[in-house]
Amino acid sequence: AQSVAQPEDQVNVAEGNPLTVKCTYSVSGNPYLFWYVQYPNRGLQFLLKYITGDNLVKGSYGFEAEFNKSQTSFHLKKPSALVSDSALYFCAVSLSGSARQLTFGSGTQLTVLP
Amino acid sequence: GAGVSQSPSNKVTEKGKDVELRCDPISGHTALYWYRQSLGQGLEFLIYFQGNSAPDKSGLPSDRFSAERTGGSVSTLTIQRTQQEDSAVYLCASTTRTSLSGELFFGEGSRLTVL
Repeated sequence: AQSVAQPEDQVNVAEGNPLTVKCTYSVSGNPYLFWYVQYPNRGLQFLLKYITGDNLVKGSYGFEAEFNKSQTSFHLKKPSALVSDSALYFCAVSLSGSARQLTFGSGTQLTVLP
Repeated sequence: GAGVSQSPSNKVTEKGKDVELRCDPISGHTALYWYRQSLGQGLEFLIYFQGNSAPDKSGLPSDRFSAERTGGSVSTLTIQRTQQEDSAVYLCASTTRTSLSGELFFGEGSRLTVL
């Protein structure tokens, strides 16, 4: 079975400060890892993914994520937060090459304070 | 349209009534997913369609839930004899690839409220 944990329901950060949204996963095989963002009353939007290769993945809106195999983590980061980054963030995992459904985490609400 | 379209955007119904939720995926996308998002919880997988293959129904929570996809395009999720615990946002997503190396494209969801 595969699973994803987002240990923080809520993350608050001041505008201009760096932000981190944590994600750890459990999967028996090579993981495909994803971050999605959900703005209020909207569907989820893809941010970035890790399939293979460089552990640091860059995505949309200045976000990046670091794959750490030993710690089974895939934390989302941004060097300088914007108020407009305030949203619900979901981490997701899937087995490599699998056409089955993604397993999503429970989400982390990010609030960037002006 | 260019994106995944879902209707209705909001649905309020009485307990025991049947509801139908519609999803129109991006043209050419062969894979279609339904998820349920409950308040304070993550996304719960419901069902997955891939081309003409038999759907993966392993996530449907009870036999009151069913879904079909006609002509490999539009999908309808039907909930019979709705219960209050069915209240949630139902999200549809589509993608071009059979593997998940590609991203999912989500609609804006259908918010269901069962009174």
